[in-house]
Amino acid sequence: NAGVMQNPRHLVRRRGQEARLRCSPMKGHSHVYWYRQLPEEGLKFMVYLQKENIIDESGMPKERFSAEFPKEGPSILRIQQVVRGDSAAYFCASSPLGTNSPLHFGNGTRLTVT
Amino acid sequence: QQQVKQSPQSLIVQKGGISIINCAYENTAFDYFPWYQQFPGKGPALLIAIRPDVSEKKEGRFTISFNKSAKQFSLHIMDSQPGDSATYFCAASNNAGNMLTFGGGTRLMVKP
Repeated sequence: NAGVMQNPRHLVRRRGQEARLRCSPMKGHSHVYWYRQLPEEGLKFMVYLQKENIIDESGMPKERFSAEFPKEGPSILRIQQVVRGDSAAYFCASSPLGTNSPLHFGNGTRLTVT
Repeated sequence: QQQVKQSPQSLIVQKGGISIINCAYENTAFDYFPWYQQFPGKGPALLIAIRPDVSEKKEGRFTISFNKSAKQFSLHIMDSQPGDSATYFCAASNNAGNMLTFGGGTRLMVKP
């Protein structure tokens, strides 16, 4: 049973470009969460999605960032017009239920903005 | 404002010793407290979790102690091994969902 799959593992973008991060949850999991981790810091919640719905996006910057979890296919975190401050590790997690069920994390996408 | 404070930031323990990491929270609505272990280049992995209806939970060498009145909880790693060297994160959430609030992390090094 494959775990949470994230790709790419590493992504380098120049300032102003778009970054697109993908996450395939564990089989049977319909709840997806995105977190951002800056170097030497803890993980910060960004957005919580279910299939075709954004449940909570309170941790996501209002501009340049968007997320989706379509009926078919992986969840996508999109960052438009990237800036150096966007450089971080972005982790996706999934769970089978939306309430107090264990989160299973992927190995992250490390975004570097040059 | 950080809602879960974790200490220490780094910890060095001799092999066979006890590693202790502490966390304090502010939001009294939190009712689920997991600990995650993260190795370099990997995602966090759930280690052990506790709910406030118990004061202690033990799984193998790992124990969570929980003090509801003080709003504090801690992770004890008994007989620490070099393979335990990793970054540990405490976290908390409430019934509203799984939006975990993480502590800042503790980098543990166990010396052989």
